[in-house]
Amino acid sequence: AQKVTQAQTEISVVEKEDVTLDCVYETRDTTYYLFWYKQPPSGELVFLIRRNSFDEQNEISGRYSWNFQKSTSSFNFTITASQVVDSAVYFCALTRNTGGFKTIFGAGTRLFVKA
Amino acid sequence: EAQVTQNPRYLITVTGKKLTVTCSQNMNHEYMSWYRQDPGLGLRQIYYSMNVEVTDKGDVPEGYKVSRKEKRNFPLILESPSPNQTSLYFCASSSRVDQPYRNEQFFGPGTRLTVL
Repeated sequence: AQKVTQAQTEISVVEKEDVTLDCVYETRDTTYYLFWYKQPPSGELVFLIRRNSFDEQNEISGRYSWNFQKSTSSFNFTITASQVVDSAVYFCALTRNTGGFKTIFGAGTRLFVKA
Repeated sequence: EAQVTQNPRYLITVTGKKLTVTCSQNMNHEYMSWYRQDPGLGLRQIYYSMNVEVTDKGDVPEGYKVSRKEKRNFPLILESPSPNQTSLYFCASSSRVDQPYRNEQFFGPGTRLTVL
């Protein structure tokens, strides 16, 4: 069975601190796709990144970086020098490559960034 | 503008009164999906559709129906709503995830449903 675990329910940091959001997944598929989404207080869901299971290259986009480690089934997300605008709920998700591309989301991590 | 639209955005109804939440996308996406979001549970997939006339159950399909008669539309039907279906519902669309581009799911703005 597939599962996505975001063990951190809430994280609170002070502006300019670095913060890492953890994501651990379970799947028996050899090919799958991992995603991170952001849900700001306004409620919409915003795509951040997609990673294919066969591509373990880490990625950096401005203050955001992602560490994909297949050996530990983890896809962690780091925000460097956090800002108040980063306050949001962040979701990790896994989509299968078989069975119609079913998608499983983690429960989300709520990040508070205080000024 | 590329978008996923949902209607209505807010709905308060009573137990047993059939309702439909519409979802439409203008990006010619093959894949569409419905999720419900509940506190502490993240988003849970209700139904998804790979293409016209092809639908499949997600993790929480009980009490819901869908249809995909046209590529752009994917309505969610609650034949006999119950209070435990009170939730925030999101529709999403994307191109096939195995295609070699970004393939994020584009989400609609959400429909907040309350069943009394």
